Amino acid sequence: EMQLVQSGPEVKKPGESLKISCQGSGYRFSTYWIAWVRQMPGKGLECMGIIYPDDSDTTYTPSFEGQITMSVDKSINTAYLQWTSLKPSDSGTYYCARPWAAGNSYSAMDLWGQGTTVIISS
Amino acid sequence: EVVLTQSPATLSVSLGESVTLSCRASQSLRANLAWYQHKPGQPPRLLIHGASTRATGIPARFSGSGYGTEFTLTISSLQSEDFAVYYCQQYIDQATFGQGTKVEI
Repeated sequence: EMQLVQSGPEVKKPGESLKISCQGSGYRFSTYWIAWVRQMPGKGLECMGIIYPDDSDTTYTPSFEGQITMSVDKSINTAYLQWTSLKPSDSGTYYCARPWAAGNSYSAMDLWGQGTTVIISS
Repeated sequence: EVVLTQSPATLSVSLGESVTLSCRASQSLRANLAWYQHKPGQPPRLLIHGASTRATGIPARFSGSGYGTEFTLTISSLQSEDFAVYYCQQYIDQATFGQGTKVEI
């Protein structure tokens, strides 16, 4: 069974750092891009950027450039999303997702992680 | 940035009815548009890609149409499990989502 399994919920304070993960299984992880999608409380979906596990090629959505870092460890089929200094506005649910076809960068996404809820509060 | 505008924001419907959701793009997408269903506590579910191709396992009551800047998602004979928020997403220029349409009872 193909799946993306994300790390558990996080509660952090402003200014702290955080790294959440997304592990793929059941398919050839290195040949499918991984996208990160944010949903702030009560709001819609926003694509933050994409990363290609095979060579770590990365593209950030302009509004997220400089705010986050995406990385990957293909030896363990895991993608990461990282913050160095969290803000209350980083609170939300973060999903990793995979395009429906191998090699497609931005595309329709047919496989999603269960989501990681992040709460930033002092 | 490509802006997607969905309408209406909310649709109040009854079981068994058919509904049509609209998604308008600020520039031509050709057919690079997807639709998702999103329920609370669950990840989004891909319904349609390529504007009109149903994803694997999606019931035939979901259909997509459109090209360029105007797209629609039609749900025929609404079932109880269809009440959710629906998003369109473009992928011709990076990826952006519409603001969503909530389909409620």
